[in-house]
Formats: sequence, C-alpha cells, structure tokens
Amino acid sequence: LAKTTQPISMDSYEGQEVNITCSHNNIATNDYITWYQQFPSQGPRFIIQGYKTKVTNEVASLFIPADRKSSTLSLPRVSLSDTAVYYCLVGDTRGGADGLTFGKGTHLIIQP
Amino acid sequence: ETGVTQTPRHLVMGMTNKKSLKCEQHLGHNAMYWYKQSAKKPLELMFVYSLEERVENNSVPSRFSPECPNSSHLFLHLHTLQPEDSALYLCASSQATGWTEAFFGQGTRLTVV
Repeated sequence: LAKTTQPISMDSYEGQEVNITCSHNNIATNDYITWYQQFPSQGPRFIIQGYKTKVTNEVASLFIPADRKSSTLSLPRVSLSDTAVYYCLVGDTRGGADGLTFGKGTHLIIQP
Repeated sequence: ETGVTQTPRHLVMGMTNKKSLKCEQHLGHNAMYWYKQSAKKPLELMFVYSLEERVENNSVPSRFSPECPNSSHLFLHLHTLQPEDSALYLCASSQATGWTEAFFGQGTRLTVV
C-alpha cells in the first residue's frame, strides 16, 4: 500500500464541518483511497472509498483532486460522537496478499 | 454490528495460562486477519489467512498460534504470554486478501498479569 501522511490530531466543535486531509504522493494508477473510523476499544469501521473526484455517502464525503496525490475526508455537522481516530489508506482494492496496513491516523476531538 | 464476532470481549490471564480467542464471520468472506493494537500505537497486522491457509505471518512470536479450521472461523491460541502482550486483539475479514474494505470485530481486550 502507498504511504500516507495525515495530521496526528484535530479539534473542532459540534455543528461544524470537519475536513481531514491525507497526502499520498506515490499513489498508483490502480489504487483506491479508503477511510476508516475507530472509536476507543473498538475495531475500525469502513467509512468511504473513492478513486477520483467526489464520493458522498450518508456519513461523509471524499474529495480527490485530479492528480490524486491527496484526498480530503469531509464530515458535515459533526457531533460529540464523531470523536474518533480516522485512518486514510491507499491501495488496490484487489491487491496482493497483504492485510491492510494502518498508520497512526488522525485523532479528531469534537468539543461542545 | 459488522458481521464479525469476537469472543471473549475481555480476558485476563496469567503468564502460565493457555487461552484462545475466537473470531467468527458469516459474511462469506475468504480472508481473515488478526491484528494487535497496543495502547497509543497503530494497529499491527499479525496473521493473514486466505481460504483457511496462512499467507502471512508478520514475525509474530510463537507464543501466539493461529488456527483457521474453516473460512468462517479463526482462532488465536495464547500460551506463556508476557505482560507486554496486553493489548486489544482485533479480528477482521474481507472478501479476499488485500481488499481495502474489511470488516472488523469488536476486539478482545487482553490483560496479562
């Protein structure tokens, strides 16, 4: 999987829109961008996946510029329950024999 | 509920004990994984199974012994553990190895005393 870089931590307030950016300069042509969310003492949960432009689901939006060297996870109108660690992963959806490799992620703290 | 169930949720064991962690999925997935997450550290991939065959072992000490009797069940057998093995152990499954959408269980919080 390609190497990713994301902020270690972020703070925001309830009701705000939060954008978490991930850099992946070495992304390959076949790679997809995937984001996971992890609450304390729980397993990570798949949030969203995209290849280019914009993807939106009921939880978040994912913005990917044309060069695909970065991506931004957007969480609309966050609440306290969105406090979690968010991981950005880049890789081929059908790649290799490896399991998913997680970095340190971004610890998002939402305050009242 | 992710479709991946781990038992027990919490386990306290002595260094001379033998215990097993169990993971079960009925999602029809062919790949299953064990991860370890120590306090304030990234998830560490331990073992990867594809169609009941181990395809990856990331230099895990032999005191951890995985078993995959069928594609729906995965075990992690523990013996003579050390206190530094205390961690959250997570099981995951995916349609095939390497797929970037994986489903994780709730984990087993292991404490070695």
